[in-house]
Amino acid sequence: GAVVSQHPSWVICKSGTSVKIECRSLDFQATTMFWYRQFPKQSLMLMATSNEGSKATYEQGVEKDKFLINHASLTLSTLTVTSAHPEDSSFYICSVKPGQGNSPLHFGNGTRLTVT
Amino acid sequence: RKEVEQDPGPFNVPEGATVAFNCTYSNSASQSFFWYRQDCRKEPKLLMSVYSSGNEDGRFTAQLNRASQYISLLIRDSKLSDSATYLCVLTGFQKLVFGTGTRLLVSP
Repeated sequence: GAVVSQHPSWVICKSGTSVKIECRSLDFQATTMFWYRQFPKQSLMLMATSNEGSKATYEQGVEKDKFLINHASLTLSTLTVTSAHPEDSSFYICSVKPGQGNSPLHFGNGTRLTVT
Repeated sequence: RKEVEQDPGPFNVPEGATVAFNCTYSNSASQSFFWYRQDCRKEPKLLMSVYSSGNEDGRFTAQLNRASQYISLLIRDSKLSDSATYLCVLTGFQKLVFGTGTRLLVSP
């Protein structure tokens, strides 16, 4: 069964509105979750690392005030795209790496955001 | 030099063919290696972990060559359903690095 649950699967919103995406770890507690963005025919790009109980770590070029990340519990991280614009339309995916060492990543099913 | 490099393809092969992809990496301290498969408009799904001793799962064989710093994925007897993008993923020191993916198209 799914290890990571991500909602919503798709969303269409108008320019200027905000959209919240949830990522839940179902089978284990996750102190760290990762948020990615993928534009059509491009590779996954890490946006930020979400840390439970502390501030997220953003990758270079990702606006922290535009992409708000909250990781208030060990099983839930949220990404809010604030004041969305059409260029924010993309596929957003979260992932979790349970444990240390050689454990692989588990991905949420992704959220397809379309901003009109 | 990029941390991880993959040939983006696409690799066009007929059903039943054997196809192999490589993924080279620059950081010799990379610790764990994985192949993921991503279908169009879907999230990546773990295909297999990669070990120096090589590992096989049905028609799929993965290999790690630390000396030359690359991992490989071999697919035998290709099926139409194997059409997807194959991503290599490396981890080390809490850092994850993705390849850009290699697109495979298997045709009848």
